[in-house]
Amino acid sequence: DGGITQSPKYLFRKEGQNVTLSCEQNLNHDAMYWYRQDPGQGLRLIYYSQIVNDFQKGDIAEGYSVSREKKESFPLTVTSAQKNPTAFYLCASSERGNTIYFGEGSWLTVV
Amino acid sequence: AQRVTQPEKLLSVFKGAPVELKCNYSYSGSPELFWYVQYSRQRLQLLLRHISRESIKGFTADLNKGETSFHLKKPFAQEEDSAMYYCALKLLVGGSTLGRLYFGRGTQLTVWP
Repeated sequence: DGGITQSPKYLFRKEGQNVTLSCEQNLNHDAMYWYRQDPGQGLRLIYYSQIVNDFQKGDIAEGYSVSREKKESFPLTVTSAQKNPTAFYLCASSERGNTIYFGEGSWLTVV
Repeated sequence: AQRVTQPEKLLSVFKGAPVELKCNYSYSGSPELFWYVQYSRQRLQLLLRHISRESIKGFTADLNKGETSFHLKKPFAQEEDSAMYYCALKLLVGGSTLGRLYFGRGTQLTVWP
């Protein structure tokens, strides 16, 4: 079954804790992205990566970090510095210049 | 600045009625525009892209550069069309061929029986 897999689907975090969301793709895409989806706000880009060992900040990178050690993996860490982390997080990937495909998303709730 | 504007947060129509979801964009170059759809409990998926000039599930969207619009239309709405619809503008990053999407805030379409 090809595609983009995000895990976990639901995650609860205590305030002050870091948490890492996993994103794996077997589409052999070079580019990967993390978006945050909030009600009434659409999707906002957190980080993106064009190629292994390279990544760039998006529009709302503060309080987040990423790594791209392997082509198929692009984990997102939500740090304690992120003031309002409760949201729905979407990972996506694309072949350069082509259609962007999305994972099923991960719900993060801070308790 | 908002690059993509979807003025309607919510839109309700009855089954069989025409539906139009509005999208306006802000970009001075040649835009590449998309409509993505998110059905309940499903992942966000591409509905159509303007360069394909295709009709998917009865939906069409025409790029109007003069009005900077890319409205999504369907002549006869069906109950299964109820979903969240996002308009998106793709821009290239720097001098690369990597495209990133700018999304509108979405329109929740409800089609009543």
